[in-house]
Amino acid sequence: SAVISQKPSRDICQRGTSLTIQCQVDSQVTMMFWYRQQPGQSLTLIATANQGSEATYESGFVIDKFPISRPNLTFSTLTVSNMSPEDSSIYLCSVGKNRDPGEKLFFGSGTQLSVL
Amino acid sequence: AQKVTQVQTEISVVEKEDVTLDCVYETRDTTYYLFWYKQPPSGELVFLIRRNSFDEQNEISGRYSWNFQKSTSSFNFTITASQVVDSAVYFCALSERTGNQFYFGTGTSLTVIP
Repeated sequence: SAVISQKPSRDICQRGTSLTIQCQVDSQVTMMFWYRQQPGQSLTLIATANQGSEATYESGFVIDKFPISRPNLTFSTLTVSNMSPEDSSIYLCSVGKNRDPGEKLFFGSGTQLSVL
Repeated sequence: AQKVTQVQTEISVVEKEDVTLDCVYETRDTTYYLFWYKQPPSGELVFLIRRNSFDEQNEISGRYSWNFQKSTSSFNFTITASQVVDSAVYFCALSERTGNQFYFGTGTSLTVIP
């Protein structure tokens, strides 16, 4: 298993500001992902955080808006830049031990973001 | 098109009733994996079960059971004798061998009334 610590757990931010969310895992993992869960909706993959290289973004998400860092195999950050109320959502960090598509993912408890 | 469909948005049951959560998936891969996750009010998604496409055996774990039917592309989840602690949002998900991501359904919010 993997224990994931995600910070902050929640925040209320002003329009136009940026927030950085941290994800710390208690063991080295190959795969780290960032998801967005809008109110009452499903999880949407934002990007795959790649260790030592640029993140891989899904359609509809861009690096300027959601810059991601992954300096090592246990840590990643997601920044939500120039926020607007439409960015109000839960952001979830998820990890997989290896690249096996059949492997289960572990999730952090999420960051609930409200933008005023 | 949605790869994973959970038509039940919200379900309410009285404690000790049985409840079935439906999940229908769509894929062209012959090798794929299906999952169920539970998201309690605390927010963290908790893994419940994984099934690969070659294993159609139903599985039972305590009060939980899963019915996988490739013929109808369904992977339904039944909770027997529901308890208040079962109240949560339940997500069905699909992972394809050829892809690099999970596809989640829209979730079913289950409320168990004492």
